[in-house]
Amino acid sequence: GAGVSQTPSNKVTEKGKYVELRCDPISGHTALYWYRQSLGQGPEFLIYFQGTGAADDSGLPNDRFFAVRPEGSVSTLKIQRTERGDSAVYLCASSPQHSTDTQYFGPGTRLTVL
Amino acid sequence: SQQGEEDPQALSIQEGENATMNCSYKTSINNLQWYRQNSGRGLVHLILIRSNEREKHSGRLRVTLDTSKKSSSLLITASRAADTASYFCATDRATDSWGKLQFGAGTQVVVTP
Repeated sequence: GAGVSQTPSNKVTEKGKYVELRCDPISGHTALYWYRQSLGQGPEFLIYFQGTGAADDSGLPNDRFFAVRPEGSVSTLKIQRTERGDSAVYLCASSPQHSTDTQYFGPGTRLTVL
Repeated sequence: SQQGEEDPQALSIQEGENATMNCSYKTSINNLQWYRQNSGRGLVHLILIRSNEREKHSGRLRVTLDTSKKSSSLLITASRAADTASYFCATDRATDSWGKLQFGAGTQVVVTP
């Protein structure tokens, strides 16, 4: 079946603008994760959904970042008033049910804030 | 902050040689996973080892886990040019919500023909 998909693959925006990044998890996967990866670093956890609810949002850096998953499938990561420091690859992952399962990653969205 | 630290940061070997990389972590874990990443994009899951396991194999991959030393190693045998990638260890900490992976900075592996 299809893997995790993310759109857009690349996003260039100007400082101060609002952006939305979309993640389509593998069908039937109830757990969904967002990570952010800066150049030369490993991914850093942002937020974890179990179904529709955010089970852990402790990795969101500040209140400019918000994520939703209204129907328990597709998720959107929203960034308000973007800053140059937000530039990174945003990765989404999903896992089948229990969150100790293997996480399957999407190809990521490369966000560039000018 | 990153939980795991990979060593070495970079590794250059020839095809056919074995590649070994290590991962150290700081706190108790539920499991440890190894991922591969090509060209800075999506991560590919390689192997998961649980805290009560000591060794796992998958094809040319061998992973060990020593919870007393808080360390893990990934061995790739008979390497191929296609193994060129960055390799990350990720821990699922016992004190965190389940599935919240903590990644290291990775080991860049280059396999030359």
